[in-house]
Amino acid sequence: GAVVSQHPSRVICKSGTSVKIECRSLDFQATTMFWYRQFPKKSLMLMATSNEGSKATYEQGVEKDKFLINHASLTLSTLTVTSAHPEDSSFYICSATQGPHGYTFGSGTRLTVV
Amino acid sequence: DQQVKQNSPSLSVQEGRISILNCDYTNSMFDYFLWYKKYPAEGPTFLISISSIKDKNEDGRFTVFLNKSAKHLSLHIVPSQPGDSAVYFCAASAKGSQGNLIFGKGTKLSVKP
Repeated sequence: GAVVSQHPSRVICKSGTSVKIECRSLDFQATTMFWYRQFPKKSLMLMATSNEGSKATYEQGVEKDKFLINHASLTLSTLTVTSAHPEDSSFYICSATQGPHGYTFGSGTRLTVV
Repeated sequence: DQQVKQNSPSLSVQEGRISILNCDYTNSMFDYFLWYKKYPAEGPTFLISISSIKDKNEDGRFTVFLNKSAKHLSLHIVPSQPGDSAVYFCAASAKGSQGNLIFGKGTKLSVKP
């Protein structure tokens, strides 16, 4: 079945540095990938929709200059948290679609900014 | 290897009847399970959860059942309403994982009037 690999699973970085998170579809081509951030009360906030070969579509309130998304190929999307601050510490997760109903989630990345 | 499996990609139910969404898991370290509901173009929203020390949790029309020996959980919606039509994700977290979630692939529920 469809597999999405997300890397790294955990990262600790210093305040002010940048962190890149990768999301790869291993056995299918994902024209669209989604990036989410988990907030308290457990819901996931959709940050942006990443389309291969075009600019990502950011949700309202998400700073596109801070959360850089690149979807350079049909199997890879990256999220870079630039100039990270402690408030950016969170669980980030990606998902990729194969069609109208097929969602496959990555295993998530726990980011801790110290 | 998928640790959380939702084997039914879709389910169609008549309004007023019961919807039963199933989820199986393989990791015996999972101790907390959640159900999310997702509408198109939105992030999944939390619906209901259950700890591994319980076998049932109820919230209004939604009930989650956990069978640890079978590594199986299910979400019951009764009565089903057209507004319940959405994709439902099962997720699990393990002790010591800081709440990191492992998601199933989702089941698309369609409730027909």
